[in-house]
Order: sequence, then structure tokens, then C-alpha cells
Amino acid sequence: QKEVEQNSGPLSVPEGAIASLNCTYSDRVSQSFFWYRQYSGKSPELIMSIYSNGDKEDGRFTAQLNKASQYVSLLIRDSQPSDSATYLCAVSTGKAAGNKLTFGGGTRVLVKP
Amino acid sequence: DAGITQSPRHKVTETGTPVTLRCHQTENHRYMYWYRQDPGHGLRLIHYSYGVKDTDKGEVSDGYSVSRSKTEDFLLTLESATSSQTSVYFCAIRGQLSSNYGYTFGSGTRLTVV
Repeated sequence: QKEVEQNSGPLSVPEGAIASLNCTYSDRVSQSFFWYRQYSGKSPELIMSIYSNGDKEDGRFTAQLNKASQYVSLLIRDSQPSDSATYLCAVSTGKAAGNKLTFGGGTRVLVKP
Repeated sequence: DAGITQSPRHKVTETGTPVTLRCHQTENHRYMYWYRQDPGHGLRLIHYSYGVKDTDKGEVSDGYSVSRSKTEDFLLTLESATSSQTSVYFCAIRGQLSSNYGYTFGSGTRLTVV
């Protein structure tokens, strides 16, 4: 079982709709959670971080964390063609583990005009 | 924007030759990481550093070594390149604010071993 799992997609959404991405993780002591966006041929770019249970909103993005169920999700509201990219979920177990991030395989999102 | 640069951006090398990739940062970050990204495997940690001369192995460290003699530079060396090391290599630095410990990645090095 992979430590961080994501559906590889592609997740196809019409322009203006909500894209919903999910990520599950296996290590219960995980403390920090991140979402990255990666355009083809580019490096990953941090878009959201979340550290406690609940929702965190930033512009059109909302991250949701449920530590009891070991999942973290990302909602993209009013999806735009420019949101078409691969979204990577990353999890850290903190200082004891060297603050290392473990990444999921990514979900490819296609926003169709 | 965190100052992190990788060099070279592209490299083609022959099997069996040594290769060194460089990561340079300008913001005095303590933690630095090397990842490789391959189709079907995602991003996998090779080595990381938590200070000058303090390094440790990641999940795919075989065939790689690292050095960090200065805070700003983190070098990744392939001692004897193999075709399985053809990949895109990313260096990353970790944020230092308690509000954001996420990584910032360099632009990557695309390495081809022929």
C-alpha cells in the first residue's frame, strides 16, 4: 500500500464547475498536508497547506482535512481552463522524520471550456 | 519568490560516467531535498539535508550521494550513471515560517543517460 494515494484521473470538469480531488494517507502521525499544482514540464508549485482538521479556504481553493479518516481533499471552485494541471498531495510527519514530504502520484485535472 | 536555482537544466550523459547536479539557494534555508520524478512513480525522495554536512537518505538513495559544504549549495552526485537514473530531478527547500512549512521547488534538471 502506497503511503499517499490519489486517483490518477484524468478528472474532467466543465469550466465554472467545482473540481473535487481526494487524497488518503497511511501514517497516522502525519502532521502537515500540502497541495501542489504542476503544469506539464514545470516544477510543482505550492497552492495550499493545512495543519488542523477542518476547512481552509484561499481564493477559489478549499482544502479539507480529516485526520480521523486520514484523508485530505482539495476543492477548486469556478474551475478555469488554466486550472488544467496535475495536482499533487503531500504529507509530512514532522521534524522527527526530517520534515520530509511524501507525495502522492497526482491527479490530472482537465477543465473543458 | 524563494531563490532556488538548479544547474544544469538539461544534461545528456553516457552510462558509467559520474554526474553532479547542483542546487543553489539564496535564502539561508536549513532544509534542502533532492527528489526525482518519473511517470508512474511520482516524486520520490533521494536524499535530504538538515544543515551543513548533515545529510540523510531518502527512499531511493542507491546510486546517489550528496554533499552540503555550504548552507546555500546542495550537490547530488550520480557516481556511475545508469539508464535507470534517466529522470527529472528536483531540488526543494522547506519554508521556515510556522504558518507555512511547504517546499519550494527549483525548476528541475532533465537528465538523460544513454
